[in-house]
Amino acid sequence: GAVVSQHPSWVICKSGTSVKIECRSLDFQATTMFWYRQFPKQSLMLMATSNEGSKATYEQGVEKDKFLINHASLTLSTLTVTSAHPEDSSFYICSARLPSGRARETQYFGPGTRLLVL
Amino acid sequence: SQQGEEDPQALSIQEGENATMNCSYKTSINNLQWYRQNSGRGLVHLILIRSNEREKHSGRLRVTLDTSKKSSSLLITASRAADTASYFCATDETGGFKTIFGAGTRLFVKA
Repeated sequence: GAVVSQHPSWVICKSGTSVKIECRSLDFQATTMFWYRQFPKQSLMLMATSNEGSKATYEQGVEKDKFLINHASLTLSTLTVTSAHPEDSSFYICSARLPSGRARETQYFGPGTRLLVL
Repeated sequence: SQQGEEDPQALSIQEGENATMNCSYKTSINNLQWYRQNSGRGLVHLILIRSNEREKHSGRLRVTLDTSKKSSSLLITASRAADTASYFCATDETGGFKTIFGAGTRLFVKA
């Protein structure tokens, strides 16, 4: 089946620094990828939809200037948490869909990136 | 935004018993999916049921969908300690392709 990877799997950083998380579709091209955030013991909250070659679409309440998304190729989307603060500590998960047809129903999730901001 | 509500929020059962989790949603959907997540880990896709389907089976899993009530249920039969995890429903809205997750049910199966 389709595989999505994330890098890094975990990161610890100091408050005020920026952190970049990569999401790659390893064996398929993904025109659309999604970024989710999950706080402990909570569900996944959709942050934004990442579209290849165009601007990301952010969900209500998500600061686009704080969470920069770049989808420069059909296999890579990046999420940059700018000037991270302790409240940004969370589990960040990306997903991607196959490009077309019925297969597009299924989302493939990355393994997640755990961010801890000190 | 979060669409689905799940109940119960937490469920504790003995090994061998059946576990039933319910999910309700608010909008018209293309399909509904169930996922499993072990503590601190990524998501595992369990089953997808389309809006024109009413029931689906996969191994020990049985999923039902009632679009008139905007609800779904996940039944795990003959549960095992290894089934201990959080279970989430997620919906793809009609006309869109975002997937919105429910609040989840934390299942604990005691050996």
